Amino acid sequence: EDQVTQSPEALRLQEGESSSLNCSYTVSGLRGLFWYRQDPGKGPEFLFTLYSAGEEKEKERLKATLTKKESFLHITAPKPEDSATYLCAVNKAAGNKLTFGGGTRVLVKP
Amino acid sequence: SAVISQKPSRDICQRGTSLTIQCQVDSQVTMMFWYRQQPGQSLTLIATANQGSEATYESGFVIDKFPISRPNLTFSTLTVSNLSPEDSSIYLCSVEDPGRSYEQYFGPGTRLTVT
Repeated sequence: EDQVTQSPEALRLQEGESSSLNCSYTVSGLRGLFWYRQDPGKGPEFLFTLYSAGEEKEKERLKATLTKKESFLHITAPKPEDSATYLCAVNKAAGNKLTFGGGTRVLVKP
Repeated sequence: SAVISQKPSRDICQRGTSLTIQCQVDSQVTMMFWYRQQPGQSLTLIATANQGSEATYESGFVIDKFPISRPNLTFSTLTVSNLSPEDSSIYLCSVEDPGRSYEQYFGPGTRLTVT
């Protein structure tokens, strides 16, 4: 059965304190790995898609990387506005369904 | 990316009633999806809705409880029937952008509270 596990469940950071979120997955036939940001009471906002091991993508203070077993979302010098839940999801080659991890709640304190 | 709207944004319903949620997209898309996000949890796929065919339901979700319509390429509805407090969740529709390699974009969600 496909599994996506995110760690840690929650992360408290001081403004400017860089850190990484982990998304480990077991899925046959990975087609893509996706990162989303979700603010309270809102739908997930698309951040990145990664397709193959070794791929990296960046957006402002966020950088996502992918290996054959896991993905990392690095937050560099975070600001309070980076506070959100970050969701990881995978998409299989055999279908279009997204399987989500449990998410990491990030709180950045000024 | 596609712009997705949902109605209503939130509702409070009584046990035993039903709620129909609308999802409208600003462009034609083949694949539309309905997810449920229970309080404090991540997203779980309810069903996939393709225009012109019956919706495909995930394990644990049945058509009698979650009937779905997909009358055209820009619109879908999800009905949550015979409501119980356990149905209190956020319901989200998403679409797969055909031009952007399997990326899914989400609507703002509908927050349902069942009393």
